[in-house]
Amino acid sequence: QVQLQESGPGLVKPSQTLSLTCTVSGASINSGGYYWSWIRQHPGKGLEWLGYIYSGGGTYYNPSLKSRVSISIDTSQNQFSLKLISVTAADTAVYYCARAGYYASGPISWGQGTLLTVSS
Amino acid sequence: QSALTQPPSVSGAPGQRVTISCTGSSSNIGAGYDVQWYQHLPGAAPKFLIYGNMKRPSGVPDRFSGSKSGTSASLAITGLQAEDEATYYCQAYDRSLSGWVFGGGTKLTVL
Repeated sequence: QVQLQESGPGLVKPSQTLSLTCTVSGASINSGGYYWSWIRQHPGKGLEWLGYIYSGGGTYYNPSLKSRVSISIDTSQNQFSLKLISVTAADTAVYYCARAGYYASGPISWGQGTLLTVSS
Repeated sequence: QSALTQPPSVSGAPGQRVTISCTGSSSNIGAGYDVQWYQHLPGAAPKFLIYGNMKRPSGVPDRFSGSKSGTSASLAITGLQAEDEATYYCQAYDRSLSGWVFGGGTKLTVL
């Protein structure tokens, strides 16, 4: 059974770059056609899809984040990562990593989430 | 504002039936994309509850059921139990976004 675990700094200053990592266990990030995803939840709000990377290649991002976001895979560590540049207080949220088996089916397995606060 | 619209809250007594609606548009649910539902407890990972509009992953009780019609979908929970108290989210693919959209979440209170 696949498990996902997010890790990150917890606190980032405004204008800096946010980097989060999702460590995958119980499955190889390289195998199968999966969509490795990042989703966030602002305090007291609903869920927002940030983007995903397909294990066969290709990345897809939420246009609302414009060019601030990037997702990459590190097969040697069985991890995938999220980078968000030029963060502001509006990026304060709980960030979840997740896995989907099909781009239109939605995430099946999720991590527990990691809180990221943007503050000086 | 979420792309999929859900009521902020619903409630019901133990044993009762509740439904949660999810309204989308012609670029997501109305375009024929499947709806998924998730159960979310504070501090926990969202749980995959319903996929393909009405299918249940193994381990999900048959008290949970989903349906879809036009640009809307619904989640029904029968025989309410205290452990069902959680926030429920619907989700679908959106072709305008080329990605996923979620509802704003519905908090279920078991009275």
